[in-house]
Amino acid sequence: QSALTQPASVSGSPGQSITISCTGTSSDVGGYNYVSWYQQHPGKAPKLMIYEVSNRPSGVPDRFSGSKSGNTASLTISGLQAEDEADYYCSSYTSSSTPWVFGGGTKLTVL
Amino acid sequence: EVQLVESGGGLVQPGRSLRLSCAASGFTFDDYAMHWVRQAPGKGLEWVSGISWNSGSIGYADSVKGRFTISRDNAKNSLYLQMNSLRAEDTALYYCAKDNAAPVTGEFVYWGQGTLVTVSS
Repeated sequence: QSALTQPASVSGSPGQSITISCTGTSSDVGGYNYVSWYQQHPGKAPKLMIYEVSNRPSGVPDRFSGSKSGNTASLTISGLQAEDEADYYCSSYTSSSTPWVFGGGTKLTVL
Repeated sequence: EVQLVESGGGLVQPGRSLRLSCAASGFTFDDYAMHWVRQAPGKGLEWVSGISWNSGSIGYADSVKGRFTISRDNAKNSLYLQMNSLRAEDTALYYCAKDNAAPVTGEFVYWGQGTLVTVSS
């Protein structure tokens, strides 16, 4: 069982917006601003999409945005495109003995 | 262009050892912390271990603590993971990942393509 909870799947049509949640505790998501999001296409390595809750690395489209409220972080993708179909993982620093944890992953399907 | 190339994976019996390597290029290696992250077949990501730029700060997941050792050789632009007492549950694709800064931040900016470790008798 993953330390951070994500929905197993979400879906949306091209042009729509979707939001993926990542729920933790005050010991991880709620306690620190070290939340990141990763995109992984089948058979490929993950790619950093958001770091420190809401910052985008250079080259990541501004359709991708991140936020946090309490113990839940969120990744929002607006103007969905076919190439956004992938698995998405959140991660967070945690004060537990394992300092970084991932969510279980969310499969995004673009209908 | 940042490149991370992992090697050293393979089929190994339970209880045996394996050493993974990651050759880095395209950036100033000793300016960044580095990590190992693994992914079991069909499963999610799991952080395994991280090391700061000067090896002064090292961390491990509880699942590998006492069995795995991370190290780096800045002169050779290389990262290593010594894996001892391997178990079936260690079977995974092991990724080398570059951090966003010299101390460990847990922001995995670049990833290699991974090396597969299979633990089975």
